[in-house]
Amino acid sequence: DSGVTQTPKHLITATGQRVTLRCSPRSGDLSVYWYQQSLDQGLQFLIQYYNGEERAKGNILERFSAQQFPDLHSELNLSSLELGDSALYFCASSAAGGAGETQYFGPGTRLLVL
Amino acid sequence: GEDVEQSLFLSVREGDSSVINCTYTDSSSTYLYWYKQEPGAGLQLLTYIFSNMDMKQDQRLTVLLNKKDKHLSLRIADTQTGDSAIYFCAEFYNQGGKLIFGQGTELSVKP
Repeated sequence: DSGVTQTPKHLITATGQRVTLRCSPRSGDLSVYWYQQSLDQGLQFLIQYYNGEERAKGNILERFSAQQFPDLHSELNLSSLELGDSALYFCASSAAGGAGETQYFGPGTRLLVL
Repeated sequence: GEDVEQSLFLSVREGDSSVINCTYTDSSSTYLYWYKQEPGAGLQLLTYIFSNMDMKQDQRLTVLLNKKDKHLSLRIADTQTGDSAIYFCAEFYNQGGKLIFGQGTELSVKP
């Protein structure tokens, strides 16, 4: 158990809908990362937050947004969902978000868009 | 550029050693990682190596780093059926401060 929790574990929704994925980092970790794992794209970095502020951005679509709250939990919002958004979404956390810090991954949220 | 390459499949017999290989492109990478993903589960950090090291050993796991060739390998000694999983190599890409993952190597251990 990495100490990172994600809810929900599974999510089934329809195209055009909007969903919110939630992540709680390990106790004491200030930085949260979001990743998407799909069959065709593999594992891709989406976005990183540190202590409430966006720190780094990867291949995140404009339809997707994220935030980190004062209690350090984070939410990833996916809107105008398309079939291709079906994937496993991972959250990870690290202590201070610094270069090369070990990231601990949550169990993931499996999203299926029908 | 950002690219991490791994072979997709490896099959070994129980008790043999497994060697999973990875090549990366960012010569300024400071850390390189190996993660394990079991079916239906999240990513589990196995081990990592700092770029000023050539080798790191952790129980049954040995990581070798060849910086000149940008080649990383993970050796699992005495491979067990419980080691069957997908293994991801990742480099910390300094430009943009993010982890870049390989495609994953599916390790199948036959009894």
